[in-house]
Amino acid sequence: EPEVTQTPSHQVTQMGQEVILRCVPISNHLYFYWYRQILGQKVEFLVSFYNNEISEKSEIFDDQFSVERPDGSNFTLKIRSTKLEDSAMYFCASSEALEAYEQYFGPGTRLTVT
Amino acid sequence: GIQVEQSPPDLILQEGANSTLRCNFSDSVNNLQWFHQNPWGQLINLFYIPSGTKQNGRLSATTVATERYSLLYISSSQTTDSGVYFCAVPGYSSASKIIFGSGTRLSIRP
Repeated sequence: EPEVTQTPSHQVTQMGQEVILRCVPISNHLYFYWYRQILGQKVEFLVSFYNNEISEKSEIFDDQFSVERPDGSNFTLKIRSTKLEDSAMYFCASSEALEAYEQYFGPGTRLTVT
Repeated sequence: GIQVEQSPPDLILQEGANSTLRCNFSDSVNNLQWFHQNPWGQLINLFYIPSGTKQNGRLSATTVATERYSLLYISSSQTTDSGVYFCAVPGYSSASKIIFGSGTRLSIRP
């Protein structure tokens, strides 16, 4: 069964450093998403991406964040200058289409900012 | 925006017991998903169930869209069922994001 994959599974970085989280969505999916879950809290939407541009973003997704689909398979989330409060689990998801379509989630990347 | 409430927040059961988890949502939806977050933090898709009933092994789910709730049933619980169960629905006036509930933390004792 096709699945979304994410690398790395765990990333430790120092405050102020740039990090790139990587995702490989399911191959025939057209819509891609990033979500975040701070420890002990809800899963929160960050951004959706379609046709090489952002479709929607949340208030959390400020200028420190960017997304890119650098080739036909990878989807990345970059945090330019990490803060302590960026420590969280980051999930990538993909779907065939938008409304009324299932979003498939990857296993997540645990980001720890020290 | 749409509100998603899950109950109970915590549930502790003995292995072999059955359980029912509830998800209420404040507006009509055309999509609802159930997830299991295991102790390692991974989110696992359980059901995509905008309406009706589905079953997968010991798990089943029912969504009554007109009454704005969904139920997840777990029968003959095993310790591997422990974790947090989330339901999620599309965001109001948003075609892309899904909104997660706060989850039900299930602990199965051996």
